[in-house]
Amino acid sequence: GQQLNQSPQSMFIQEGEDVSMNCTSSSIFNTWLWYKQDPGEGPVLLIALYKAGELTSNGRLTAQFGITRKDSFLNISASIPSDVGIYFCALNTDKLIFGTGTRLQVFP
Amino acid sequence: NAGVTQTPKFQVLKTGQSMTLQCAQDMNHEYMSWYRQDPGMGLRLIHYSVGAGITDQGEVPNGYNVSRSTTEDFPLRLLSAAPSQTSVYFCASSYAGGGNQPQHFGDGTRLSIL
Repeated sequence: GQQLNQSPQSMFIQEGEDVSMNCTSSSIFNTWLWYKQDPGEGPVLLIALYKAGELTSNGRLTAQFGITRKDSFLNISASIPSDVGIYFCALNTDKLIFGTGTRLQVFP
Repeated sequence: NAGVTQTPKFQVLKTGQSMTLQCAQDMNHEYMSWYRQDPGMGLRLIHYSVGAGITDQGEVPNGYNVSRSTTEDFPLRLLSAAPSQTSVYFCASSYAGGGNQPQHFGDGTRLSIL
């Protein structure tokens, strides 16, 4: 099956710091998605990327679709406590395949 | 707006028992799917449906059955529960399959098999 590697597995940062995480696939895809899961809830879509090289922002979040179409990056600037959660990348095939997630903890 | 509703929220079963996890959506979405979430494994697709009367297998379908008799409902059945099926189960729906349409997730069913 499709290999989707997400790193880092977890991050522990102080409030105000910037965060960066990434995802790589073994194949080329046309859509990269980033989801966030708050504790005790289902994932919610943050950003969708549809073109190689595309850079898209959603507030303090910025995601980029890698030029090779095999990777994607998510950056969070000036983190705040409510950024805590698990961030998943996901790929579009005929169904949605998720990465293993990056667990983010933000300390005041 | 109800969105995607999953019931029950929590369940404990004994090994060998059967159970149905319910999922309903009120957004007239064609595409529905079931995932399980285990620590360090992300979300893995169990089964999915592209419309009423049509279902297909995902990554980890063994031990689970689904049916899609209506657009709104997509129940997941455990035929004979095993401890390896202890997990958090999420149902999701969207207008169409694939990532071009945002998937809406329920809040999950936390299932423990003893």
